[in-house]
Amino acid sequence: EVQLQESGPGLVEPSQSLSLTCSVTGYSITSNYWGWIRKFPGNKMEWMGYISYSNNTNYNPSLKSRISITRDTSKSQFFLQLNSVTTEDTATYYCAGLRIPTDWFAYWGQGTLVTVSS
Amino acid sequence: DIQMTQSPASLSASLGETVTIECRASEDIYSNLAWYQEKPGNSPQLLIYDVNNLADGVPSRFSGSGSGTQYSLKINSLQSEDVASYFCQQYNNYPPTFGGGTKLELK
Repeated sequence: EVQLQESGPGLVEPSQSLSLTCSVTGYSITSNYWGWIRKFPGNKMEWMGYISYSNNTNYNPSLKSRISITRDTSKSQFFLQLNSVTTEDTATYYCAGLRIPTDWFAYWGQGTLVTVSS
Repeated sequence: DIQMTQSPASLSASLGETVTIECRASEDIYSNLAWYQEKPGNSPQLLIYDVNNLADGVPSRFSGSGSGTQYSLKINSLQSEDVASYFCQQYNNYPPTFGGGTKLELK
């Protein structure tokens, strides 16, 4: 069974960086695509980006200057860094996986709430 | 970006009832649409992909239909375990975008 689990601080101060980890079990992250999706208060969802099996990344243009997704294959983890956060980045952050060659999200974490506040 | 407008935002129905949730895309997405179910405290789960294909383990009371810009998710004979939020996602155009979600409750 594939399982994804997000971890990281639940509170980040404005202008700082938000850093989250997704730990994957039951599947190799050197296969398929692994990414981040967030849900804002009010339920609007936004795809943030992904990292591919070959370590290529693709980001939502709306975030391109602030986002970085990386991975550590030895730990079966991938990471989200979002810089210069504001209160508008307050959201529940999900890690998710796509199974090549499909374009839907077959695997999801439970989500972790990150609040941006001083 | 393609906008996905989902309706209703919330829905109250009785056990055994049939419910329908709609998603409208701002342009033709050529049946590249998935539906997900999210129960409180749980990970979102893929329900349907490519408009009408059930994901593994999804009961047959769930079905999807639509084309062009209009799509729907139907739940026949509502069960208590169907109480959840549902949302759609288009993957025809980059970036993938999502509907605003529908919260389904029991009446």
